[in-house]
Amino acid sequence: EVQLVESGGGLVKPGGSLRVSCAASGITFTNAWMSWVRQAPGKGLEWVGRIKSKTEGGTTDYAAPVKGRFTISRDDSKNTLYLQMNSLRTEDTAVYYCQVEFDYWGQGTLVTVSS
Amino acid sequence: DIQMTQSPSTLSASVGDRVSITCRASQSISTWLAWYQQKPGKAPKLLIYKASNLESGVPSRFSGSGSGTEFTLTISSLQADDFATYYCQQYFSYRTFGQGTKVEIK
Repeated sequence: EVQLVESGGGLVKPGGSLRVSCAASGITFTNAWMSWVRQAPGKGLEWVGRIKSKTEGGTTDYAAPVKGRFTISRDDSKNTLYLQMNSLRTEDTAVYYCQVEFDYWGQGTLVTVSS
Repeated sequence: DIQMTQSPSTLSASVGDRVSITCRASQSISTWLAWYQQKPGKAPKLLIYKASNLESGVPSRFSGSGSGTEFTLTISSLQADDFATYYCQQYFSYRTFGQGTKVEIK
């Protein structure tokens, strides 16, 4: 059974930083292209960014609203995906989901940016 | 960036109805399109990939069609479990979601 478990969400002040994680099991993580998707309260889905598998270069791409502030990385030895979020803004408040493109999703972790 | 526009934003229907949701891309994306279903408080669920391929385990009443810039998700006979919000997503260039279509009870 595939499981994706996000952790690390919480309350952070504007301008602050936070790292959220996604622990994967039941998949060959090394081969997986992984994405982060967020959903602000009462709003639709927004793609945040993606990291390719290391065998395909391990490169990252980001949506315009987070480019330069967010960084996606992966530790294949731990089957874990990360999202480092810096210079956080109130508009970054959302549930953050990790996704194995495109089949599997985690349950999400809530990040709240507020003073 | 590729923009995705879904219509309608809200759809009121009854059990047994045939319903269709349209997704338009701002440029051609070939068939690099997925459809998801999301229920309140839950993660999205993949229904259709590559525009018309049904994900394993998804009921056959769901179907997808289209290519280029116009795509359709059809539910042939709406069931009670299908009242939810539906999203399209392009993966031709980076990824972009449509704004969502809420299917509600008429």
